[in-house]
Amino acid sequence: DQQVKQNSPSLSVQEGRISILNCDYTNSMFDYFLWYKKYPAEGPTFLISISSIKDKNEDGRFTVFLNKSAKHLSLHIVPSQPGDSAVYFCAAKGSGGSNYKLTFGKGTLLTVNP
Amino acid sequence: GAGVSQSPSNKVTEKGKDVELRCDPISGHTALYWYRQSLGQGLEFLIYFQGNSAPDKSGLPSDRFSAERTGGSVSTLTIQRTQQEDSAVYLCASSGGVLYTEAFFGQGTRLTVV
Repeated sequence: DQQVKQNSPSLSVQEGRISILNCDYTNSMFDYFLWYKKYPAEGPTFLISISSIKDKNEDGRFTVFLNKSAKHLSLHIVPSQPGDSAVYFCAAKGSGGSNYKLTFGKGTLLTVNP
Repeated sequence: GAGVSQSPSNKVTEKGKDVELRCDPISGHTALYWYRQSLGQGLEFLIYFQGNSAPDKSGLPSDRFSAERTGGSVSTLTIQRTQQEDSAVYLCASSGGVLYTEAFFGQGTRLTVV
């Protein structure tokens, strides 16, 4: 069973516009959420995170929103730039005995067109 | 080193042969993780080390897979009698510990079993 879901395999936006990447989760024990960005032939790099006690975290052009009741989070990139083109993975970390493990979604390929 | 280093970057092996994948974590990081990404899939958790011990091996797909970590540093993932379904990118990550939620990834080893 897939506990972290990214239902959009790909997203295409124009440079300067907003990119919104979505992620849903099923495990209510998740208490920390992260977004990773991955370029081809490179490992994922950490982008931004949010604790379950918050509903928003902002870092420059990147903002992550968390809706706990809907078990949904989203990553907003504004304005989008061509260099943002990459695969974005949503990840979640559990609490308690499995608090070390990150569970990843399948990723969304973002293409920002000049 | 400055980041997580994995070797080799690419490995092509014949079905039935054994392979060893190496990971050098960030110096001082006590937690080390192995993940793999098969084509079109998300990152699949394989194993977690805290120091030299592996409290969670639950993600290892079969008994052909094993991993060890020595000196609280370098880790080796061994796949015996490789099968074509083992073809994937194997990613290693390290973090400062359980309380540190951000894991830093290496560039991965692309394994192709022919």
